[in-house]
Amino acid sequence: AQSVTQLDSQVPVFEEAPVELRCNYSSSVSVYLFWYVQYPNQGLQLLLKYLSGSTLVKGINGFEAEFNKSQTSFHLRKPSVHISDTAEYFCAVTPSGGYNKLIFGAGTRLAVHP
Amino acid sequence: NAGVTQTPKFQVLKTGQSMTLQCAQDMNHNSMYWYRQDPGMGLRLIYYSASEGTTDKGEVPNGYNVSRLNKREFSLRLESAAPSQTSVYFCAGSDRGSTDTQYFGPGTRLTVL
Repeated sequence: AQSVTQLDSQVPVFEEAPVELRCNYSSSVSVYLFWYVQYPNQGLQLLLKYLSGSTLVKGINGFEAEFNKSQTSFHLRKPSVHISDTAEYFCAVTPSGGYNKLIFGAGTRLAVHP
Repeated sequence: NAGVTQTPKFQVLKTGQSMTLQCAQDMNHNSMYWYRQDPGMGLRLIYYSASEGTTDKGEVPNGYNVSRLNKREFSLRLESAAPSQTSVYFCAGSDRGSTDTQYFGPGTRLTVL
């Protein structure tokens, strides 16, 4: 079985500051890793995903994430946030090669202040 | 393209009432999913349909039933609603492979009194 832990439930940050949202996972099999974003009163949309290859993955809106197999982590970063990045961010995993069944973390609420 | 659509957007039920949440997608996805979102718990999979004509239980299936009516439509039914089913429900669609992005609908906010 797989599990995902998002280490911070809320992250407040000032506009133009850097931010890191932390995600750790547990799995006995190989997994694919995803970050989704949920803007207020909307559904989720994909930010980025790691399938294989380079451990640094770039996504939409200037976000990137780094896969670290030894630490079973997949932290999300952005060098300079905007007010519009205020949202909830979800880390998710799915076993590679199986059905596309996502296991989500509890979410991190990013609040960007002016 | 509308993507993934859900109806209704909001619903209030009394304990014991039944209702069906509707989901449709026009993205030609093989697989469809129903999740519930509760504060501090992320999204949890209720049921999924890997392809037309098949459905399987997810993590939290108790109290729910589903129907994959055709490739486009996947409905979720609450036969006898309970307050514990108060939640936001999301439908999603994707291609079948585990590398594929899931596309989410806007959600249905359900309150059971």
